[in-house]
Formats: sequence, structure tokens, C-alpha cells
Amino acid sequence: QQQVKQSPQSLIVQKGGISIINCAYENTAFDYFPWYQQFPGKGPALLIAIRPDVSEKKEGRFTISFNKSAKQFSLHIMDSQPGDSATYFCAASTNNAGNMLTFGGGTRLMVKP
Amino acid sequence: ETGVTQSPTHLIKTRGQQVTLRCSSQSGHNTVSWYQQALGQGPQFIFQYYREEENGRGNFPPRFSGLQFPNYSSELNVNALELDDSALYLCASGQPLHSGANVLTFGAGSRLTVL
Repeated sequence: QQQVKQSPQSLIVQKGGISIINCAYENTAFDYFPWYQQFPGKGPALLIAIRPDVSEKKEGRFTISFNKSAKQFSLHIMDSQPGDSATYFCAASTNNAGNMLTFGGGTRLMVKP
Repeated sequence: ETGVTQSPTHLIKTRGQQVTLRCSSQSGHNTVSWYQQALGQGPQFIFQYYREEENGRGNFPPRFSGLQFPNYSSELNVNALELDDSALYLCASGQPLHSGANVLTFGAGSRLTVL
């Protein structure tokens, strides 16, 4: 079962452009939504996270937009750089779930110089 | 640099064999979890441990088992290996948030190939 659906599977953006990755979830009990960045040969690293009590969170060039009624959230990468080329995963977990994250399928981002 | 270390980084086994993967959690993190990441897919939760006891499990059969030790290290054991067990196995330790969800720090993983 795929409780978190992520799109697109791959994305090519020019340097300086905006990268947008979307996720949709089914479980309304989810209340923590992190995004992870993974480089080849490395484990996922936390990028930014949001809770459903806010509609947007910004950290540097990275912004999460959250739409609770639509059960959707997205990652925006402003001024995309070649160093941002990686695979991005959205995830979700419920309150008191500890380490149990449900991940999306991933988006492979390539930023062309 | 991540505080979670895993070993071995790569290993090859044959179908039916058993494997043990090891993880050293980040200091101060009292929860550890294991994830399976098949090629080109997102990580899937296997199970988590808190204070040396399993307290959450994903949709994985009993031949996947684990241990957590007092020194924050842990093991993932897989018996009767199948070809579909070929994957990157990720260990993650958790820093608890007030609400209960954890900020996870992942290791680089152990790449298992089953022939």
C-alpha cells in the first residue's frame, strides 16, 4: 500500500529555476511531514519538515507548502543549483509514531548548469 | 557528517542464507529503526526499537528480526534470504520531538545483494 504518493518521478530544471515536487497522502492521522534529500551512496538527510498547523515553512531556498484539506504538500526549491541534484523523498508520520515514517517513491532532480 | 554508522557497506549472499547487519546510533538517541530501500524506490519501514525492545513493525515477515543494545548499537537479522531481499538497508536513530515524532538521522546503509 502506498499511503504517500510523490510526483514527478524525475525532474530536470535549469540552474536558477524553481524545482517543484508534489506529494499527496491518504492517512488523515499524519501530522508530521518531512522532506529528505539523498545523494548517491548516502543515506537520506532531513531537509525541512512541517506540521499541519501551518500552511507554509521556508528555510533558505527551500519552502514547503501544505494544503490540509487537499491532503497535499509540496517542496519548492528556489534558485536551483547543480549541487541540488539528488533524489528527494517526502514522508509522513503520525503523532507518537517514533521513527515510523511512510515515504513517497522519490523524485530524481537534475539541475543543469 | 552523520552520527550513524553502518557495517558492512556492501555484501553478497546467496538465497537461503542468513545475514546480520550492524548499526551504531548517534549518541543520545534512544530509538533506532531500520528501513529497506529497493533500487529506485523510497525507504520502507521494517521496525523500530526503544530501550532494547521492538515497539513498532512494518509489513515485513518474522524472518526479519532485530536487536538493540545498551550502547546504542543495533542489529538487523534476515533469515532464509530471498532474491527480493536485495536492497539498501538503512539504519536511523531518532531524536524525540515533544509531540512524539522523531527527527531521524540515517546512516549510509548496507547494500545487500542476494544471488
